[in-house]
Amino acid sequence: DAGVTQSPTHLIKTRGQQVTLRCSPKSGHDTVSWYQQALGQGPQFIFQYYEEEERQRGNFPDRFSGHQFPNYSSELNVNALLLGDSALYLCASRRTSSGFYNEQFFGPGTRLTVL
Amino acid sequence: RKEVEQDPGPFNVPEGATVAFNCTYSNSASQSFFWYRQDCRKEPKLLMSVYSSGNEDGRFTAQLNRASQYISLLIRDSKLSDSATYLCVVNRSSASKIIFGSGTRLSIRP
Repeated sequence: DAGVTQSPTHLIKTRGQQVTLRCSPKSGHDTVSWYQQALGQGPQFIFQYYEEEERQRGNFPDRFSGHQFPNYSSELNVNALLLGDSALYLCASRRTSSGFYNEQFFGPGTRLTVL
Repeated sequence: RKEVEQDPGPFNVPEGATVAFNCTYSNSASQSFFWYRQDCRKEPKLLMSVYSSGNEDGRFTAQLNRASQYISLLIRDSKLSDSATYLCVVNRSSASKIIFGSGTRLSIRP
């Protein structure tokens, strides 16, 4: 079992550019969440996808958008990049039917640097 | 006020010591609670879930106090390998978003 995988591992962009990050969930998982983690902070929830729809969203602007595909993989898109978007972007997956205490498994993250 | 608050630390304790972290949450509707561990430049990994009756896993004990809206993590006989950031995690239901605290840094010295 490959676990949660993310690509790319590192990315450098300039202000104003657009970026797409990718995530493949752990086998058997159907729900994908995205988090932004700035240095020295805990992960901040961006949004969650289930059945190809955005189900929950955190306090992030519309520049952050996403998609989930029929195979449960997901993309995070960020438009008009700002310096403050530099962070580690984490994808986490879980199985929605797995009950109340349903553990999320995290991928290794994509480290985005905006110059 | 943040929905989940933790003392950022750092906690610097000698090997073998007992150390405790607290985490407070503001939403009384919160239903499930977890402690995650995050090593430097790595992803968070689940350390343990926190049950209403409290639970223990080896040297780690987690407690929940719903009346005061806090959860705690106790680490006994700390090891060098326990050095990490410990993240408190709260969510209201299996369908809702999960809220992380900012983390508490723990450093164990020889």
